Amino acid sequence: QVQLVESGGGVVQPGKSLRLSCAASGFIFRNHGMHWVRLAPGKGLEWVAVISNDGSERYYGDSVKGRFTISRDNSKNTLYLQVDSLRAEDTAVYYCVKEAGWGGLDDNWGQGTLVTVSS
Amino acid sequence: DIVMTQTPLSSPVTLGQPASISCRSSQNLVHGNGNTYLTWLRQRPGQPPRLLISKISNRFPGVPDRFSGSGAGTDFTLTISRVEAEDVGIYYCMQATHFPWTFGQGTKVEIK
Repeated sequence: QVQLVESGGGVVQPGKSLRLSCAASGFIFRNHGMHWVRLAPGKGLEWVAVISNDGSERYYGDSVKGRFTISRDNSKNTLYLQVDSLRAEDTAVYYCVKEAGWGGLDDNWGQGTLVTVSS
Repeated sequence: DIVMTQTPLSSPVTLGQPASISCRSSQNLVHGNGNTYLTWLRQRPGQPPRLLISKISNRFPGVPDRFSGSGAGTDFTLTISRVEAEDVGIYYCMQATHFPWTFGQGTKVEIK
């Protein structure tokens, strides 16, 4: 059974950094691309980033490019999102999602981790 | 980037009646491999999103057959044949054909 547990969120001041983690289990982590998707309060879903199964390819959404870095440690079955230069508009619940075999997102999502950017 | 435009943004519906949501993309969503990666999701407050439909019209396991997806190219529709109370939530279309992947603005489905 696929399980994804996000952590690392919290309240942080604008301009500061956080590192989000996603512990994965129940599937062969190194075989799957992994995504981060966020949901801002009162706003819609936003795709944040993806990393290929071996970490060789990464893509980012325009609003986070240059400030966020996605990475993974296949030996630890863990996905990361380094979030730097945080802005108020980055306040959101961040979800990690496994890439499904058919090419899109898998239907197993964790509960997410809340990042609140506030002075 | 591909812009996904959903209409309507709010849809008050009567229980037992049909509902449909339109999603239009700013570019053709047919991938070079011939697939069209258009997905429908529903999000309820306090819960992670749930995937309903993949590749235009394929229901995910456990999704009731009152949900159906259709369309091609740049125009897509999610239809609920007979709305039930548990169907309330915000529905999103999402394209996964071109990076960066993008979502529609969301359509709030509520019961009249």
